[in-house]
Amino acid sequence: DAGVTQSPTHLIKTRGQQVTLRCSPISGHKSVSWYQQVLGQGPQFIFQYYEKEERGRGNFPDRFSARQFPNYSSELNVNALLLGDSALYLCASSLQFIGTGGYEQYFGPGTRLTVT
Amino acid sequence: AQSVTQLGSHVSVSEGALVLLRCNYSSSVPPYLFWYVQYPNQGLQLLLKYTSAATLVKGINGFEAEFKKSETSFHLTKPSAHMSDAAEYFCAVTFPGGGNKLTFGTGTQLKVEL
Repeated sequence: DAGVTQSPTHLIKTRGQQVTLRCSPISGHKSVSWYQQVLGQGPQFIFQYYEKEERGRGNFPDRFSARQFPNYSSELNVNALLLGDSALYLCASSLQFIGTGGYEQYFGPGTRLTVT
Repeated sequence: AQSVTQLGSHVSVSEGALVLLRCNYSSSVPPYLFWYVQYPNQGLQLLLKYTSAATLVKGINGFEAEFKKSETSFHLTKPSAHMSDAAEYFCAVTFPGGGNKLTFGTGTQLKVEL
């Protein structure tokens, strides 16, 4: 079975530009989450979606937005890029969403974004 | 505030030696706990999880972790290290009422030497 897939693998953008990252969850998974991993740190939660609705948002500016499509794939958009947005962006899928937590999340290989 | 702490950003062991990676959490209620491994230039792979069933959890690749409520710990162990275990390891938690939002520790880089 295919795991979580993300595209593109690598991306180089200039400050001020906009970027769209894409994620396809494991077949049958209905929840997608996005994380940012800056070099040398643990991943930081950005968004979680379930059944096309936002179910959680991390402490990120409004320049970050996301959406989930009817086929459960997702896009993460970042506007007005800053040098500090350079990071590995990870997408994770889980079977369902439970408010109490505990569902396993499976990660994709990530998109490496470099902002120059 | 609810958080997770990994003690030791770098751990070095000899091949065949015991691996012990430490993780402590801070929470007023028992969280759900996970260990992930990340190989260079790759995403995260789930090693194991604790969700309030057995306190000793066995995972993939010979790893296991024990939940100790009294110590608020969830340390990861492996009896005998292999060269292929060299990677970065992250402890992560989800807190009741926090949805599936994973909060990660800062990671421990494991080095395995001959």
